[in-house]
Amino acid sequence: QKEVEQNSGPLSVPEGAIASLNCTYSDRVSQSFFWYRQYSGKSPELIMSIYSNGDKEDGRFTAQLNKASQYVSLLIRDSQPSDSATYLCACLILTGGGNKLTFGTGTQLKVEL
Amino acid sequence: DVKVTQSSRYLVKRTGEKVFLECVQDMDHENMFWYRQDPGLGLRLIYFSYDVKMKEKGDIPEGYSVSREKKERFSLILESASTNQTSMYLCASSPDRPRYNEQFFGPGTRLTVL
Repeated sequence: QKEVEQNSGPLSVPEGAIASLNCTYSDRVSQSFFWYRQYSGKSPELIMSIYSNGDKEDGRFTAQLNKASQYVSLLIRDSQPSDSATYLCACLILTGGGNKLTFGTGTQLKVEL
Repeated sequence: DVKVTQSSRYLVKRTGEKVFLECVQDMDHENMFWYRQDPGLGLRLIYFSYDVKMKEKGDIPEGYSVSREKKERFSLILESASTNQTSMYLCASSPDRPRYNEQFFGPGTRLTVL
């Protein structure tokens, strides 16, 4: 079982709709969770971080963390064509040699006109 | 703004060559990382460093080494390049706690080994 899992997609949503991206993680993962956006041919950029249970909102983005169910999600309201990208979930993994960030393989989002 | 730069955007090398990939960050970050990214496999950590002259193995260190002689610079070395090392290589840096895991990435180097 992978430590961090995402559906690869593509997830297609119409412009103006809510896009919902999900990520599940294994037991070993710690408290910190991150969402990165990666445009085609570009490097990942951090868009959200969440450290405690519940919701965290930043503009059109909302990150949701549910530790009991071991999932973290990203909601994008009023989706725009410029949101079309691959979204990477990243979680802090506790290891014997220290903490490391582990990435999922990403979900491709397509926002259609 | 954090700026992470990498020495080359595209690189083509031959099997057996020694390859150097350089990364420089200008925000005085303590931590630096090297990843490779492959379709279907995502980002995989090769090596990371939390201080000058310190290094730790990531998930896939075989065939690679690193050097960090100065705080702002972290080099990835492929001792003898092989075709299975053809990939996108991404460097990242992050500040120390509590924002240790908020990583900032460079533009990437697409390496092709022939």
